Amino acid sequence: KNQVEQSPQSLIILEGKNCTLQCNYTVSPFSNLRWYKQDTGRGPVSLTIMTFSENTKSNGRYTATLDADTKQSSLHITASQLSDSASYICVVSATGGGNKLTFGTGTQLKVEL
Amino acid sequence: EAQVTQNPRYLITVTGKKLTVTCSQNMNHEYMSWYRQDPGLGLRQIYYSMNVEVTDKGDVPEGYKVSRKEKRNFPLILESPSPNQTSLYFCASSLSRPAGELFFGEGSRLTVL
Repeated sequence: KNQVEQSPQSLIILEGKNCTLQCNYTVSPFSNLRWYKQDTGRGPVSLTIMTFSENTKSNGRYTATLDADTKQSSLHITASQLSDSASYICVVSATGGGNKLTFGTGTQLKVEL
Repeated sequence: EAQVTQNPRYLITVTGKKLTVTCSQNMNHEYMSWYRQDPGLGLRQIYYSMNVEVTDKGDVPEGYKVSRKEKRNFPLILESPSPNQTSLYFCASSLSRPAGELFFGEGSRLTVL
């Protein structure tokens, strides 16, 4: 069964600090992996997409990594800001069979002063 | 502005009273889908549509119906709502396939008493 597990479940950090969120998956055959940011009360918004051949991709202060061998991805947030407080959801796509998506349950990040 | 619009955003109803949540996108996307989001369970797919008149069940389709008569619209129908359908619902669309970037609506919070 395809699964996506994220850790930690929740995280509190001080403004300006860095943090790393983890995503482990067992989705096969792998197509791509996306990180979405979901602000409270809003719909998720895509941050990055990682394909099989990509190891690292940045989007401003967000950097995603992918290790296709160990089936792990991480999202690193640099110099956090209060506006980074949100849920971060890892979504993995499988090829074939309607390109099914498997969602993680998210990491709830809170950035405090 | 490119967007996915859901209505209503908030709804309180009673058991058994049929309701429809509308979803409309203005990006000419082929793929549309519905998700429910519950605490601790993440986003779960209800139904999806690869194109007009093409719909299929997701992971939790029981108690829901959909239709795709026009490319831009994908309404979610609850024929006889029950309290276990109390949830936050999201509609999403993608250009051509679910592995592409999903654009989410703002969500519809439904309470069934």
